[in-house]
Order: sequence, then structure tokens, then C-alpha cells
Amino acid sequence: EDQVTQSPEALRLQEGESSSLNCSYTVSGLRGLFWYRQDPGKGPEFLFTLYSAGEEKEKERLKATLTKKESFLHITAPKPEDSATYLCAVQARAGFQKLVFGTGTRLLVSP
Amino acid sequence: ETGVTQTPRHLVMGMTNKKSLKCEQHLGHNAMYWYKQSAKKPLELMFVYSLEERVENNSVPSRFSPECPNSSHLFLHLHTLQPEDSALYLCASSQDEGGIYTFGSGTRLTVV
Repeated sequence: EDQVTQSPEALRLQEGESSSLNCSYTVSGLRGLFWYRQDPGKGPEFLFTLYSAGEEKEKERLKATLTKKESFLHITAPKPEDSATYLCAVQARAGFQKLVFGTGTRLLVSP
Repeated sequence: ETGVTQTPRHLVMGMTNKKSLKCEQHLGHNAMYWYKQSAKKPLELMFVYSLEERVENNSVPSRFSPECPNSSHLFLHLHTLQPEDSALYLCASSQDEGGIYTFGSGTRLTVV
């Protein structure tokens, strides 16, 4: 069964303090790994897609990387507006291509 | 209106009530989804419609009944719900069942 585990569950950072979020996954043939951001009271918003090990994507202070077993979301010099829950999801190549989500990491960046 | 719109934003219903959640997408996508989000649990896929046909029913109790009258609209009909059904219900759409979903803001459902 496809599975996604995210850690830590919650992370508190000072503004400017860089860190990384982890997403470990098991999937029967990876079609894609996806990162979403969810703000309180809103639905998740798409950030990145990674398709193969070694691939990296960047957007402002965020950088996502992928290996055969896990993905990292690196946050460089975060700002308070980066506070949100970050969700990781995988999509398998075989069968119906639904997204399987992790439980997310709640990030709080203090000024 | 742009993106994915869900109504109502909040809903409180008794266990004997019947209500419906509505979702509308303005993106021209051909796949639509219902997800359930409960505290400390992963998003749980409930139903998928692709080209207006239901392609996934993820062992959801029959008290939840989806309807997709066209590619832009999706409904979730609710009846005789249980308190454990209280959650955030999210609608999403995508093109060709790809993994890039556009989500609505959700309906916060409370069953009393």
C-alpha cells in the first residue's frame, strides 16, 4: 500500500532560521511527488512536482529535493508569511492515479 | 469567479437532516474530487469524477452520495450523518487526473 510519512509534525522557527521538512514515502512505482501549502481556513495550494530522484525545484525561499525514498522541503531564511501547513503527496504510476497525502508539517515562523 | 468555489463555508446539521455541499470549478478541468480532512489525519479521498463519470469510490459509507451533473459542478449529498463525520470537506479539480490539483476552501461540517 502506498504511504507517506511527514516529519516533524510541527516546527517552530525564528525569522531567518533555515530548516528542512521531511517526507518519506513508499509507492509502487512513483509517477510524481507533490508539495502543497495549506493556510488555516483554506484548501491546499500546489507548490512543486518532482518526478525522478535527483530532481530539484525552487520557488522563492523554498527548495524541494527528491531521492528514491524521501523528499525534503528546504526553507531558507523564512519569513512569518511562510507559516502554514506543508503537505506532501505521492502519485503511483500503476492503477488509478490518485494522490496519497501525508499528515503534514505545521510550520510557525516567529518575527 | 475563478478557481474552485465551495458552498457553504460552514454547515451545522443534526444527525437526521439532509443537506448538500456544492462545488463549482471555473478552470475547464475534466476531473473533480471530494476529500475529507480530519484533524491529525491525512487527506482522505472520497470520490473522483473524470469526464463526468465516477471512477473512484473509496469505500465511503452510503450516507454520502456524490453527484456530477456536468464537468464544472460537483455535489455531495449528506443524510443521517454521524458525529464522526464532522470534518473539513474539500473539493478539488485537475486536468486529466494529473497530480496538480486546485482545491476549494472547503466546507467545515459539524454534525450534532
